[in-house]
Amino acid sequence: GENVEQHPSTLSVQEGDSAVIKCTYSDSASNYFPWYKQELGKRPQLIIDIRSNVGEKKDQRIAVTLNKTAKHFSLHITETQPEDSAVYFCAASEGYQKVTFGTGTKLQVIP
Amino acid sequence: NAGVTQTPKFRVLKTGQSMTLLCAQDMNHEYMYWYRQDPGMGLRLIHYSVGEGTTAKGEVPDGYNVSRLKKQNFLLGLESAAPSQTSVYFCASRGGVENEQYFGPGTRLTVT
Repeated sequence: GENVEQHPSTLSVQEGDSAVIKCTYSDSASNYFPWYKQELGKRPQLIIDIRSNVGEKKDQRIAVTLNKTAKHFSLHITETQPEDSAVYFCAASEGYQKVTFGTGTKLQVIP
Repeated sequence: NAGVTQTPKFRVLKTGQSMTLLCAQDMNHEYMYWYRQDPGMGLRLIHYSVGEGTTAKGEVPDGYNVSRLKKQNFLLGLESAAPSQTSVYFCASRGGVENEQYFGPGTRLTVT
């Protein structure tokens, strides 16, 4: 089955700096890669996703890149703000069934 | 449009007791999932369903059973609770044009 590895497990950045979280996946058949943000005590919320026919996708301060050959994808947050502090999860899915999650990155934005 | 809802929000069980967690979605999604979330381990899939009347095992199915008698509901059962099942349980559904996955608010379960 699919295996998703996520790094780093914790990340501290100064407000206004950029943050990058990286994930690798094992199943070359995976074609859908969502990213979730989870605030303390809340449910995971989808913030951006990318499909295998696209190399990069942006939404305001958030971008995701995908390298299918190397089987890795990354989340980039620019101009970080204190409200970006949360745990971020990457995930990978093949088709319309199971979604496999990484173990999460705790991002702390220091004011 | 409530999205995905879960009941109860919190529960404390004694070892050996049983309970059922209910997940409901009003988005007409075909796919539904039960995850557990433990510190440092991300979200692990317990069981899932690809449609009404179907269920399948996920990554950590032991000690749990599920049923999907109606498309909008997905039930997770613990027949004999164990302390190792102390966790936060999230239900999710997936479907629609974009096939995005949406989570319920979670159930915090403690087994003593």
